[in-house]
This record gives sequence, C-alpha cells and structure tokens, in this order.
Amino acid sequence: DIQMTQSPSSLSASVGDRVTITCQASQDINNYLNWYQQKPGKAPKLLIYDASSLATGVPSRFSGSGSGTDFSFTITSLQPEDFATYYCQHYENVPLVTFGQGTKLEIK
Amino acid sequence: VQLHESGPGLVKPSQTLSLTCTVSDGSIMSSGYYWSWIRQHPGKGLEWIGYIFYSGSTFYNPSLKSLVTLSVDPSKNQFSLKLTSVTAADTAVYYCARVVAHNWKNYYMDVWGNGTTVTVSS
Repeated sequence: DIQMTQSPSSLSASVGDRVTITCQASQDINNYLNWYQQKPGKAPKLLIYDASSLATGVPSRFSGSGSGTDFSFTITSLQPEDFATYYCQHYENVPLVTFGQGTKLEIK
Repeated sequence: VQLHESGPGLVKPSQTLSLTCTVSDGSIMSSGYYWSWIRQHPGKGLEWIGYIFYSGSTFYNPSLKSLVTLSVDPSKNQFSLKLTSVTAADTAVYYCARVVAHNWKNYYMDVWGNGTTVTVSS
C-alpha cells in the first residue's frame, strides 16, 4: 500500500499570511492527489483534485501543485474562515482510499 | 446533489451498526460516480470504509472488509452500511459521500453528507 505523509501536523499563522502544507507519497502516484478542508463539526469539503485543479466554487487563494511523490497545498493571504484542518487524499487501484494525517491550521 | 445519513446513534457492543444514506436532488444511478462511507474517530483523521456502484459492485477497505457490507437501493436512491460485531473502537462520526471516478484513475469525494455520530456503548 502507498503511504501518505502529510506535514506539518499543525501550523499557526495570521490573517493575510501565506501557508503551505506538504504531502509525500511513498511511491509515484502521478497527479492523483486531492485536498480537503474540514471545519470543526462539519464534513470535509473538496478543494483541489488532480493535485492542482480547483474544485467548483473554491476561491483562487487556494492552490495545489506537485506530481510523482511530492505535493504541496498553498493558501495565499489567509482569511479568517480558512482556519481549519486540511487533509490530502490518494486513491490507488487496490482499491484503497488513503487520507493524510491532517494539518490543523490555527490562528497565531 | 445532497446526501443525508440516518440511523441509530447508539449501538451496543457486538451488535451490528446500520446506517443509510439518502441521495437527493440527483440520481444514485448517475454514471461515473460511486457512493462511499468514511468515518472519523473522535479527534482523529478520516478513514475510508468502502464504496459501492449503483449496480451493486462493492469495494472495501481491506482492514475492514470482513466486517463491512455495503448495499444499494436505486429505487429509493439510497445506499447503506452494515458494520458487524462493533466495539467501542467503532465509535465515530460516519459520513456518506459521492465519489467521482475521474478518468477512472483518480477517485475523490466531491459531495458529503453532514455526518452522523455513532456511539458504541452498553
């Protein structure tokens, strides 16, 4: 099975900051990497699919990049509503859907 | 499309957890989509349980496969989860979600239910 390592596990930042979260796969996964946002008490929300494609209705301050084994997710100019937990996710044809451990983004 | 989970919030140990997800404002028979269950233990990350196609084809997380059964009822636009022999470790928020089979290569969840909390306790 492919292992997904997400870092950091937590992150403190201020409104207006730029933040980056990384996700590393144990094997080449092409660009089959997705990112979600989850706020407390709420279901996850799809933000990015195929490593860099923005899901419908997602603001352009969110972006993703990477291919192969190394991926990153960036929020430019943090807004108050962006403080949440973020997860990367990969599907492999076992089938198996795997999530990263999550990154909790907190207000500094 | 909207998804809504329903089922008991409390299940006794060793019994079977049963949840149903109702799909509204869309058809469960839509091409290119699977229907999935994901759970989240208290304060923890997300764990994929499995997904099902409207035809009834099922795919399970290998770690849960022996305990899980997914089923679908296209006539009711619903799909269901059964988890047998539950223990306290199955206490979690259970989400249903629509899975996009993007180019049949990358699968991701684009619509989620609100989630339902299930507690396993005597």
